[in-house]
Amino acid sequence: DAGITQSPRHKVTETGTPVTLRCHQTENHRYMYWYRQDPGHGLRLIHYSYGVKDTDKGEVSDGYSVSRSKTEDFLLTLESATSSQTSVYFCAISESVRVEAFFGQGTRLTVV
Amino acid sequence: ILNVEQSPQSLHVQEGDSTNFTCSFPSSNFYALHWYRWETAKSPEALFVMTLNGDEKKKGRISATLNTKEGYSYLYIKGSQPEDSATYLCAFRGGSNYKLTFGKGTLLTVNP
Repeated sequence: DAGITQSPRHKVTETGTPVTLRCHQTENHRYMYWYRQDPGHGLRLIHYSYGVKDTDKGEVSDGYSVSRSKTEDFLLTLESATSSQTSVYFCAISESVRVEAFFGQGTRLTVV
Repeated sequence: ILNVEQSPQSLHVQEGDSTNFTCSFPSSNFYALHWYRWETAKSPEALFVMTLNGDEKKKGRISATLNTKEGYSYLYIKGSQPEDSATYLCAFRGGSNYKLTFGKGTLLTVNP
């Protein structure tokens, strides 16, 4: 199994609070992705990274920011959580653009 | 926003039936097409990555084909078994960026 860990696995937070989710990999893969999974929408890309300090937006990036200060960590921050951000968040990593991505176990976030 | 479409949305088959699903994607600027299998309460796992027009890949009873010129890929399952029940996702990677964009998936249920 690819060494990819998401933390926390579950979180309940209040509307308006900032929240940071962490994705940690031990594979030294260049590419890292954050997705959210919602019923009827499948996996939607929030942000991705193609190297240290190199990040770009996905299709649903509003309200989210990311940082990648070192290869192994990709942080997703909800600047001011809203109920619409209640979701399951998946991190994925990929060694190159020509091979498969490996997924973390997911983080279930509930914003109340 | 890239359009990656999968059909059907869901499918119920009997054990032993063969079945197939479709993934359509932009035919321009193609780089790679991925297929993933996603079981409930687990993370998506890669089945195939295809990069060349005409590619055919096989893993046991599951196979996939790729037509980049017309922008579609088929996933076939021969002799479906209950353990094949899962959501099957395709993902498109274009050549202009590093995004990996997923379709909404096909939910397969195999009845014993």
